[in-house]
Amino acid sequence: GDSVTQMEGPVTLSEEAFLTINCTYTATGYPSLFWYVQYPGEGLQLLLKATKADDKGSNKGFEATYRKETTSFHLEKGSVQVSDSAVYFCALRARGGSEKLVFGKGMKLTVNP
Amino acid sequence: DTGVSQDPRHKITKRGQNVTFRCDPISEHNRLYWYRQTLGQGPEFLTYFQNEAQLEKSRLLSDRFSAERPKGSFSTLEIQRTEQGDSAMYLCASSLAAGQTSTDTQYFGPGTRLTVL
Repeated sequence: GDSVTQMEGPVTLSEEAFLTINCTYTATGYPSLFWYVQYPGEGLQLLLKATKADDKGSNKGFEATYRKETTSFHLEKGSVQVSDSAVYFCALRARGGSEKLVFGKGMKLTVNP
Repeated sequence: DTGVSQDPRHKITKRGQNVTFRCDPISEHNRLYWYRQTLGQGPEFLTYFQNEAQLEKSRLLSDRFSAERPKGSFSTLEIQRTEQGDSAMYLCASSLAAGQTSTDTQYFGPGTRLTVL
């Protein structure tokens, strides 16, 4: 079945460090891909998405590119801030069938000043 | 728009009791989803509705679980004869589907945390 594999955490970075969170997927066809973020004490929020190969999603300084050849959707940010401390989830939605989101396990990021 | 709301935010119950959760989606959203999230895991899909019709159910949704969306607006999720393994965060999400293309974004509520003693 469809699945998402994320980089294991937790990860602690210093402010202004570069961030990469790896995400790879297994799915039939070409799914839509998402990054959701969960800030402490809050619900899941959509961070960015991409619906077809080579699309780049971006928001709040974060970027991720849909790579069909490597079935990946890695999240990057050039300079993290303390306010980026959160849990990050990669997810997919298969095309042409189920409407469900399939999530990875999530990765907790802590950014220290 | 106000966001997705869920009630209650926390529920503690004893094993064997029944519990019911409510979800109010973003107004005019025609799709509503339920997910379950356990500690250290990502959310897992349970079921979803388009308007009042329940269109998909996960194998995770045992016969002790039932979900309804009678008027196509709010939804309830009931768990009968709760077990300790039901302890989790129950998340609701809603989206506005346009036609047959799945391009809609799911917006999540804050969740209901269930603890079964």
